[in-house]
Amino acid sequence: QVQLVQSGSELRKPGASVKVSCKASGYMFTSYAMNWVRQAPGQGLEWMGWINTNTGNPTYAQGFTGRFVFSLDTSTAYLQISSLKAEDTAVYYCARDEGSTWYNFDYWGQGTPVIVSS
Amino acid sequence: QSALTQPASVSGSPGQSITISCTGTTSDVGAYNYVSWYQQHPGKAPKLMIYDVNDRPSGVSNRFSGSKSGNTASLTISGLQAEDEADYYCSSYTSSSTCVFGTGTKVTVL
Repeated sequence: QVQLVQSGSELRKPGASVKVSCKASGYMFTSYAMNWVRQAPGQGLEWMGWINTNTGNPTYAQGFTGRFVFSLDTSTAYLQISSLKAEDTAVYYCARDEGSTWYNFDYWGQGTPVIVSS
Repeated sequence: QSALTQPASVSGSPGQSITISCTGTTSDVGAYNYVSWYQQHPGKAPKLMIYDVNDRPSGVSNRFSGSKSGNTASLTISGLQAEDEADYYCSSYTSSSTCVFGTGTKVTVL
């Protein structure tokens, strides 16, 4: 069965970096794009962008350029955030795009809480 | 890209039908039939309920249905059940080839 398993909760100080992982299993990893979605405390979902799991080419949404980096390894997608700010405090989800048309996220990771606090 | 507009809350009694709206623009909802709906229970990951305006993934109850008119998409939940109490988000493909989510709607079963 398809599973996306994310790394655990992270606590960082402002200015530090964090790397969140999303390990995929149960399907051919390179056949489906991987997206990242942010949800700040008590807020809605925000699309961060996606990475082509075949070529490794990332696409970043407006507001997620510069400090945010998507990368890949064998069956694992990563989100790295540098120069962390308090407003980066959120739950970060990876989500598989089922690929038939556009942006249909059929499987999600369980979410990784990232807390930025001094 | 601004978030799509949804009502903050919608409520209904068990067995009733409710409809959640999702209003965008001619650059997103109005331009493409690529609107999805997600259900999110507290502390859980979102779940895909509807895609491409009115298609249901395998395993999703047929009590959930989607539609679109102009720049507004809608999700209807018929035969409302206690387990339907959750937050619901729409999303759409945009003319910039990006994805935009709605502001979210809290559904309360009275």
